[in-house]
Amino acid sequence: QVQLEESGPGLVKPSETLSLTCTVSGGSVSSGSHYWSWIRQPPGKGLEWIGYIYYLGSTNYNPSLKSRVTISIDTSKNQFSLKLSSVTAADTAVYYCARVLGAQRVFDPWGQGTLVTVSS
Amino acid sequence: QSALTQPASVSGSPGQSITISCTGIRSDGGGYKYVSWYQQHPGKAPKLMIYEVNNRPSGVSNRFSGSKSGSAASLTISGLQAEDEADYYCVSYTSSSTPYVFGTGTTVTVL
Repeated sequence: QVQLEESGPGLVKPSETLSLTCTVSGGSVSSGSHYWSWIRQPPGKGLEWIGYIYYLGSTNYNPSLKSRVTISIDTSKNQFSLKLSSVTAADTAVYYCARVLGAQRVFDPWGQGTLVTVSS
Repeated sequence: QSALTQPASVSGSPGQSITISCTGIRSDGGGYKYVSWYQQHPGKAPKLMIYEVNNRPSGVSNRFSGSKSGSAASLTISGLQAEDEADYYCVSYTSSSTPYVFGTGTTVTVL
């Protein structure tokens, strides 16, 4: 079955850019039936949708983060990535990648998540 | 759009039924059709439990059911078990500038 795994630095300095990659196994990011999404969860708080990308490169971002977010996709590596610029302590969170089932509009499955801490 | 509203906590004894509400769902752009629910155990990734209001993915217990009424959706857990103790989140999808909006989350405690 499809599995997703996040990777990237666990510590980022304030004002710098957070960069994470999600590697997909057991399936292809080039599937026309799916989108690929990033979601985050600050420690002890709820979930926040960041954005998603389609294999052809079209994207949709949360308006609250849109000015700082870029999601890209590399079909040759079966990966998609997140960049969040000008980070502050408020961006400290567990970051999840997830597949979006296009027909049902749901996130399934999810990666295990990776904690990114913003601190000097 | 602001987060959907859920009760902070709900509790019940083993074998009982509990219901978690999710209010503030938009009616336009498919909001009523595309409501899903996720279960999250501590330190784990969320797991899809209900999609399109009242459909269960393969492998999810039939003790979990969903419904909607007016601008609200609900998740009911019947025959409550210790393993159901977790956080639960509703999510609504609409064809708007913010397609996905999560609920505030509900902690379910099995007494």
